[in-house]
Amino acid sequence: QSALTQPASVSGSPGQSITISCTGTSSDVGSYDVVSWYQQHSGKAPKVLIYEVSKRPSGVSNRFSGSKSGNTASLTISGLQAEDEADYYCCSHAGSGTLVFGGGTKLTVL
Amino acid sequence: QLQLQESGPGLVKPSETLALTCTVSDGSFSSSSFYWGWIRQPPGRGLEWIGSISYSGSTYYNPSLKSRVAISVDTSNNQFSLKLRSVTAADTAVYYCARQGESYHYFDYWGQGTLVTVSS
Repeated sequence: QSALTQPASVSGSPGQSITISCTGTSSDVGSYDVVSWYQQHSGKAPKVLIYEVSKRPSGVSNRFSGSKSGNTASLTISGLQAEDEADYYCCSHAGSGTLVFGGGTKLTVL
Repeated sequence: QLQLQESGPGLVKPSETLALTCTVSDGSFSSSSFYWGWIRQPPGRGLEWIGSISYSGSTYYNPSLKSRVAISVDTSNNQFSLKLRSVTAADTAVYYCARQGESYHYFDYWGQGTLVTVSS
């Protein structure tokens, strides 16, 4: 069970859109439509943004959206804001009740 | 509002057992709809799922930690616990407990996390 692959960092200017990828295998991301995404500000606990690939929990801004194609899931943040600067993690089921996280992506708002 | 709170020693000696407890504040703990998980984060690094347990005691573990981990549930006190044996410095991390949503595959409520340092 290897960690899902995310870019180490991405950046964007306020108002722009950015996309963070999360690449797994046919044993995890590719097999199950249950990818979730988390936002973690420095020193804080993670917060769920997206679950089951594209569903948003109540209270999460619609600026956050998720999708999946094959073994790769994506998180898109539109209308980038300064408060979006944080670390982002994906997570997927990996079979037999196990879960695997991505390595994390640091988002910088320029 | 559901709250989770981790508790336990902040310092553990190498080769000993790390033991943490998570206390859940509301009645959802007794629901069969949810699992309860442990996740850790070494300083400056990413998240790692450790394992999960249901109210009835069904467990799933990360294969890389399975030989050293045990998660148990105390239904009378709305708590679930983590034990990690034979710890080394590599087990130094912030440990989070969290509730897994009804589909099991995501974490919708998290504790604040507790730093456990492995050092002599």
